[in-house]
Amino acid sequence: SQQGEEDPQALSIQEGENATMNCSYKTSINNLQWYRQNSGRGLVHLILIRSNEREKHSGRLRVTLDTSKKSSSLLITASRAADTASYFCATDRAGANSKLTFGKGITLSVRP
Amino acid sequence: GAVVSQHPSRVICKSGTSVKIECRSLDFQATTMFWYRQFPKQSLMLMATSNEGSKATYEQGVEKDKFLINHASLTLSTLTVTSAHPEDSSFYICSARDAGRATGELFFGEGSRLTVL
Repeated sequence: SQQGEEDPQALSIQEGENATMNCSYKTSINNLQWYRQNSGRGLVHLILIRSNEREKHSGRLRVTLDTSKKSSSLLITASRAADTASYFCATDRAGANSKLTFGKGITLSVRP
Repeated sequence: GAVVSQHPSRVICKSGTSVKIECRSLDFQATTMFWYRQFPKQSLMLMATSNEGSKATYEQGVEKDKFLINHASLTLSTLTVTSAHPEDSSFYICSARDAGRATGELFFGEGSRLTVL
């Protein structure tokens, strides 16, 4: 079964607005990570939140984690056209040497 | 830091030939690298986990004789698609973990788009 599932699948917003993307997962995790992928490129790590953390910030990014609901959200504030990309959540169940399981991704379009 | 270089970025080959894709960690040592396949507008499908100095661990349904993985050094893993067919056309991406970091993030190559004619 899909470990990480994001919603919505696609999001279109106006530049300057905030973008909120959600991720749900099924099993217990060690940490959850968000990645960004520009079309036809590799993935870039954005932020990692550990299972004992509830909220984390990095620049215009804010991620939350609710382990009781097995869900996470990624908020991008004051979006820019350059934020247009696909965003994936990935769960790590067993720590540093384990594989990540990626969700299906959210396509974010920021209109200038 | 933590740069992963993947080559070639694009390759076109004839059906029946073999293609090798390289994944290098440029400024860190990677005891573990991962190979993924990605179809258009879809997520990454993990194909195998490549461990330096040992055999790769393949995911269920991935043919190990079809997709040969070699991880001969702490900075290089290769994926060879043998006897390629048009259905092997896809976007292949590698990633690596920095053995010197305690955090669990992955560093990705830029991907290789394979087209088999």
